[in-house]
Amino acid sequence: GQQLNQSPQSMFIQEGEDVSMNCTSSSIFNTWLWYKQDPGEGPVLLIALYKAGELTSNGRLTAQFGITRKDSFLNISASIPSDVGIYFCAGLDQTGANNLFFGTGTRLTVIP
Amino acid sequence: GAVVSQHPSRVICKSGTSVKIECRSLDFQATTMFWYRQFPKQSLMLMATSNEGSKATYEQGVEKDKFLINHASLTLSTLTVTSAHPEDSSFYICSARDMRGRGDTQYFGPGTRLTVL
Repeated sequence: GQQLNQSPQSMFIQEGEDVSMNCTSSSIFNTWLWYKQDPGEGPVLLIALYKAGELTSNGRLTAQFGITRKDSFLNISASIPSDVGIYFCAGLDQTGANNLFFGTGTRLTVIP
Repeated sequence: GAVVSQHPSRVICKSGTSVKIECRSLDFQATTMFWYRQFPKQSLMLMATSNEGSKATYEQGVEKDKFLINHASLTLSTLTVTSAHPEDSSFYICSARDMRGRGDTQYFGPGTRLTVL
């Protein structure tokens, strides 16, 4: 199936630094979702975006739904060690099957 | 939020046996659930869409006779891996579709680690 381009693939940052990752697609989505996955666990929903241009925050996390509806970014401010994990973006295809198309993931490592 | 559970969290079985994995939406009803598998260091791959009261829709390349899906109620979908072989070893994750909020969202279960010896 379709896969979204997510970058960067991995990041090593110092505790306290801000993080930015983004996701692009060749197709338009009506919904963008950002998930975090810890090893051996299922993805946990962080932020859901339903409207082009929407900017939504959840604590230290902020995500935006691109105006073109083909991209989204996620920012994490003042990173802490528990931010470590893999972050996935996902676009929801609502034209038929309501399937989620996932990005390739960004592996975040926070150095204390 | 919404809670989705999976059982078992981990299963080890012999080659040739069948394994059933349950996915439950605990605090909401889900007419649609999804089954994914994930290989190490890779993203999630959709296997099938499970619709309550009707047949599942399988993605291309996924054998419907091998991966049996039953969605008998609005809170339960099951995936049965029939005649499992070592190449079926993987991390299986379900999700449930939640339409209650502002829009369409999927919440994931914690996953089931299947190891076939």
